[in-house]
Amino acid sequence: AQSVAQPEDQVNVAEGNPLTVKCTYSVSGNPYLFWYVQYPNRGLQFLLKYITGDNLVKGSYGFEAEFNKSQTSFHLKKPSALVSDSALYFCAVRDGGATNKLIFGTGTLLAVQP
Amino acid sequence: DTAVSQTPKYLVTQMGNDKSIKCEQNLGHDTMYWYKQDSKKFLKIMFSYNNKELIINETVPNRFSPKSPDKAHLNLHINSLELGDSAVYFCASRSGGDFYGYTFGSGTRLTVV
Repeated sequence: AQSVAQPEDQVNVAEGNPLTVKCTYSVSGNPYLFWYVQYPNRGLQFLLKYITGDNLVKGSYGFEAEFNKSQTSFHLKKPSALVSDSALYFCAVRDGGATNKLIFGTGTLLAVQP
Repeated sequence: DTAVSQTPKYLVTQMGNDKSIKCEQNLGHDTMYWYKQDSKKFLKIMFSYNNKELIINETVPNRFSPKSPDKAHLNLHINSLELGDSAVYFCASRSGGDFYGYTFGSGTRLTVV
């Protein structure tokens, strides 16, 4: 079965510093990986996805993610964090088969201090 | 124009009641989903629908009954509500082909008292 793991419940970073939110995956076949962000009392917003091609994927709001096949990782990164980036971040993988549903990690709360 | 819209946004109700949540997407997607986000923020798939047909029920109690009158709508009806049903319910839709874009609604926060 496909799965993703987010090893950190919370990541704290100072504004202006680079940030990394970690995600590792376990899939059979080619991985289709996603990052979503959830602001307080809001829905899930799509940030970026990896389907195939370049290992460095650029997404919304200045975020990017690096697909690393040998380490089975898909870490989310941003060169300079903003206080407004504080939110809950979810990594997800597409489960193949009839439904192609998304399977989510447990989420990582990003707190950016001013 | 909202791509995936859910109503209501908030729902407070008593145990034992029956309630419905509506979802509509204007993206022309064939596949729609219901997800449940619990108090620990875990997101879990409940149902998958493709072109109005139920594909899978992810071991959800039969008090939950999804209905899809057409491929743009996927409603969720819940009978005999229990305290444990309190959660945020998200509807989502997915485009086909290689793009694999998933779009989520803004969620319905259900509180059972």
